[in-house]
Amino acid sequence: QKEVEQDPGPLSVPEGAIVSLNCTYSNSAFQYFMWYRQYSRKGPELLMYTYSSGNKEDGRFTAQVDKSSKYISLFIRDSQPSDSATYLCAMSRTTDSWGKLQFGAGTQVVVTP
Amino acid sequence: ETGVTQSPTHLIKTRGQQVTLRCSSQSGHNTVSWYQQALGQGPQFIFQYYREEENGRGNFPPRFSGLQFPNYSSELNVNALELDDSALYLCASSLAQGAQGYTFGSGTRLTVV
Repeated sequence: QKEVEQDPGPLSVPEGAIVSLNCTYSNSAFQYFMWYRQYSRKGPELLMYTYSSGNKEDGRFTAQVDKSSKYISLFIRDSQPSDSATYLCAMSRTTDSWGKLQFGAGTQVVVTP
Repeated sequence: ETGVTQSPTHLIKTRGQQVTLRCSSQSGHNTVSWYQQALGQGPQFIFQYYREEENGRGNFPPRFSGLQFPNYSSELNVNALELDDSALYLCASSLAQGAQGYTFGSGTRLTVV
């Protein structure tokens, strides 16, 4: 069983809809939770990170972490065709291991005009 | 020069051969991590270098090796290539071990035939 599970999709939504993405994990030692966006033929870019449980909002993006359920989510409001990409969740145990992340498989998102 | 640069962009190798991939870190970044991303999967941590010393290794065999140079550029070497080594190889650099915001390069697409 993988430490981080993520539905690969694809997830297709119409422009303006809310995109809902999630990951589950098995290792309770994870403390830092990140979401990356990866466009085709590009490296991942950090969208948001959250420490421990709670919510974090940044513009159209909201990240949620529920450590008791080992479940994290990313919501994208008012989705745009430019949001079409693969979204990867990632986790680490400490700040020293930010460069040694455990990634999910990624969910491909397609936003149709 | 800004950003993380990887070379080459693509290459094709034959099973059993050896390959060297290169990464030029973002200016001033002294920490570099290497990841392998198979098609349809999330990146998997290979190893990290901090100030020219290996600082952590993922679950990869010894035929995967690396170097970091005094200018903090880095190499990933893979010996005795196998078909399963076909993947996108990503490097990510950061200013310090514990810093957020590792910047990823666009990767090297390796195909082993």
